[in-house]
Amino acid sequence: EVQLVESGGGLAQPGGSLRLSCAVSGSTLRNSWMQWVRQAPGKGLEWVANTNPDGSGKDYVDSVKGRFTISRDNDRNTLDLQMNSLRDEDTAVYYCMKDARDWGQGTLVTVSS
Amino acid sequence: DVVMTQSPLSLPVTLGQPASISCRSSQSLVHSDGNTYLIWYQQRPGQSPRRLIYMVSHRDSGVPDRFSGSGSGTDFTLKISRVEAEDVGVYYCMQHIYWPHTFGQGTKLEIK
Repeated sequence: EVQLVESGGGLAQPGGSLRLSCAVSGSTLRNSWMQWVRQAPGKGLEWVANTNPDGSGKDYVDSVKGRFTISRDNDRNTLDLQMNSLRDEDTAVYYCMKDARDWGQGTLVTVSS
Repeated sequence: DVVMTQSPLSLPVTLGQPASISCRSSQSLVHSDGNTYLIWYQQRPGQSPRRLIYMVSHRDSGVPDRFSGSGSGTDFTLKISRVEAEDVGVYYCMQHIYWPHTFGQGTKLEIK
């Protein structure tokens, strides 16, 4: 059974940074497209970023371009999201997702002064 | 960006009765490879989303056969043949043919 476990969430100030990680077990990442999806409190789902299997291709929603960076380590079976210049509106539960199918439990990011 | 529009946004249903959710995309979701990249997710209260249906009509392993997906091009439907208590939650459609991938607003299913 595939398991995805996110970590790294917490409280950050506006303009600050956080780095999220997603550890995957039960399956190799080598052939998988990986995504980050977020959900603001009481709101719907928003796709944030995506990386192709070898990490050479990355896409972002416009609102995070230039601020967030998705990366992966296929040897360690991990996916990361570096979040810089954080804004209040980035407050959300961040989920890591594998092949648009398997989801983690999410990690809460709160941006507030 | 491709806009995904779901209706209704709230769906009260009596136990044992059918339910239907519509999802419309602002552009065709048919890829040049012939596949249509439309997914349905279920999010139960307090849980992470779970994929139910992929490529319009393919049910994921472990998903009860009372769930079915249909549609083509820009119009899609998720049907539950007989609603059970465990089906309470929010249902989302998502397109993953265009960047950025986009979700519908969500349809909240509750028991009447």
